[in-house]
This record gives sequence, C-alpha cells and structure tokens, in this order.
Amino acid sequence: EDQVTQSPEALRLQEGESSSLNCSYTVSGLRGLFWYRQDPGKGPEFLFTLYSAGEEKEKERLKATLTKKESFLHITAPKPEDSATYLCAVLRDDKIIFGKGTRLHILP
Amino acid sequence: DSGVTQTPKHLITATGQRVTLRCSPRSGDLSVYWYQQSLDQGLQFLIQYYNGEERAKGNILERFSAQQFPDLHSELNLSSLELGDSALYFCASSVVDRVYTGELFFGEGSRLTVL
Repeated sequence: EDQVTQSPEALRLQEGESSSLNCSYTVSGLRGLFWYRQDPGKGPEFLFTLYSAGEEKEKERLKATLTKKESFLHITAPKPEDSATYLCAVLRDDKIIFGKGTRLHILP
Repeated sequence: DSGVTQTPKHLITATGQRVTLRCSPRSGDLSVYWYQQSLDQGLQFLIQYYNGEERAKGNILERFSAQQFPDLHSELNLSSLELGDSALYFCASSVVDRVYTGELFFGEGSRLTVL
C-alpha cells in the first residue's frame, strides 16, 4: 500500500514563480516526516524534519509545513538552481520510507 | 560531498550473473542502509545494518544479500540477476541505529545495468 504520495509528479515553473509541492501520508501515529532534495546523478540530500502538525521549517527559499494528513514544501521565488527532485519520506516501523518524488524544473 | 563512498559507480553485466556493490559509510557512522531506486518504484528500502548486525529489512529479494564488516563498510550482493534488477543502488549512513531525525547521508549510488 502507498504510505507516501507526492504530487504533482513533475512541475515546471518560471524563475520567480512561487508554488507548493504536496506530500500526503497514510502512516498512523506519525513519528517524523522528512524532505530530501535529489539532483540528477546524485544521492538524496536531507533538508528538513517535521514531527507534529503545525510545525514549520525554513531554509533559504524553501519552507516545509505539516498537517495531520499532509505536508507541503513551499518554494518562494525559485531560481534555476532549485531545479531538482524533491522527495518526501516518513518513519514507519523504524524504517524511512520515501515517496516517488516531484521533479521540479525552474526555467530562467 | 556526503562522506559516503560507493563503488563501482557504474556496472554493466548480463542476466544470471552476480555482482557486489560496496559502501564505506561516513567516518563515525555505525549504521548503513541500502536503497534501490528505479523510475517506476522510486526509492525502495532494502536493508539496514548497525555495527555489523542486521537491524531492519525491507523489500529485499532472496537473491540479494548484504553484510557489514568489522571496519563498518558494507557490501550488497546481487545474484541471478534479472533485467528488472537494473536500477540505482544507494547506500546511506547514520551515526545511530534509529534515525528519528530522518537524517541519512547518501552516497552517489551505483548504477547497475543488466543486459
């Protein structure tokens, strides 16, 4: 069964055009939700951890938020270097389970 | 650079063959995780070792096996290879055995192509 579902699968934005990526999860008793960034040909790179509904974390142009059923990764005024695949993951049975990711492409 | 080293970076082999992928974790990290990434399945957890002991198991096929050695490096053995085993195989490491922070350090992966 799907534990983590990310949408959209792919997103193309113009430079400076803000948007949000969605991650919905079905794990009961969430013990942690994580965001990673993956560049082509590279391994995923850790961005954020969120533990409880209402929590927010920020890093440069990225802000992650968490509700009881989903998380959003907001990208404000993105630049071409923000182009990457963004992966959402949850902690389930002491394993980190990843979604399939959103491929983000920022056009200059 | 995450500090996690994986070899080889690329590997091309034939169906039915056996290969070994190697991972050296970051200095000081005791846990090693193996993930498989394919276009249709995304990043799938295979197995975790902590200080030489198997700690958690995911969707790892019986044809696959792994171990962690006393020097903490790990090897993932894939045997009787099938076309569908073609994928990127990532190794990640962490200091502790239960990563409640979610922070894993990934290597750059080994790309396996089975022809």
